[in-house]
Amino acid sequence: NAGVTQTPKFQVLKTGQSMTLQCAQDMNHNSMYWYRQDPGMGLRLIYYSASEGTTDKGEVPNGYNVSRLNKREFSLRLESAAPSQTSVYFCASSGAWTGNYGYTFGSGTRLTVV
Amino acid sequence: DAKTTQPNSMESNEEEPVHLPCNHSTISGTDYIHWYRQLPSQGPEYVIHGLTSNVNNRMASLAIAEDRKSSTLILHRATLRDAAVYYCILLSGNQFYFGTGTSLTVIP
Repeated sequence: NAGVTQTPKFQVLKTGQSMTLQCAQDMNHNSMYWYRQDPGMGLRLIYYSASEGTTDKGEVPNGYNVSRLNKREFSLRLESAAPSQTSVYFCASSGAWTGNYGYTFGSGTRLTVV
Repeated sequence: DAKTTQPNSMESNEEEPVHLPCNHSTISGTDYIHWYRQLPSQGPEYVIHGLTSNVNNRMASLAIAEDRKSSTLILHRATLRDAAVYYCILLSGNQFYFGTGTSLTVIP
């Protein structure tokens, strides 16, 4: 089925470890996004890529880096994980960086930092 | 950032219509109004969006006030599968602000 695929689905890290969350979409969308969701809260934008070759900070970028590898793939890297980064991470994509396109979300990566 | 205000929770009986309200008094002229829903342990799912005119699709209807400071998501006939958290969102500049949403309970 067409959509957004995230890997891994679950991950436990020790404080200070690094890891990369992978995201791929097969809908030929131009724009991709990374969000985090903490318990009982809405989603907060970490980084986004309006189009291939561009990335920009969102609301909560500290402690993260991103790479738009190609049009399909957008990865999120935690260089030195901290317990405050324990969260559920969602990747999303949309046709374009305007308000007139709905977002398609992945099923999420549940990350625990101990 | 433009923000939205929604009730924390609502209940509806199965097979009855549901009207989910959203206030967005600081909306700007170019902000689109989006609605998403999220089931437990899943990613948000797109429901509907609009700019100024009312919108209908297979899932729901979106009614937008004339001054655009509020909107209402209408589920015409609630089913148990509609039980979810519903987010009203404004696409504003480079942010896509999610509030805490409305948790909808559907009573059999």
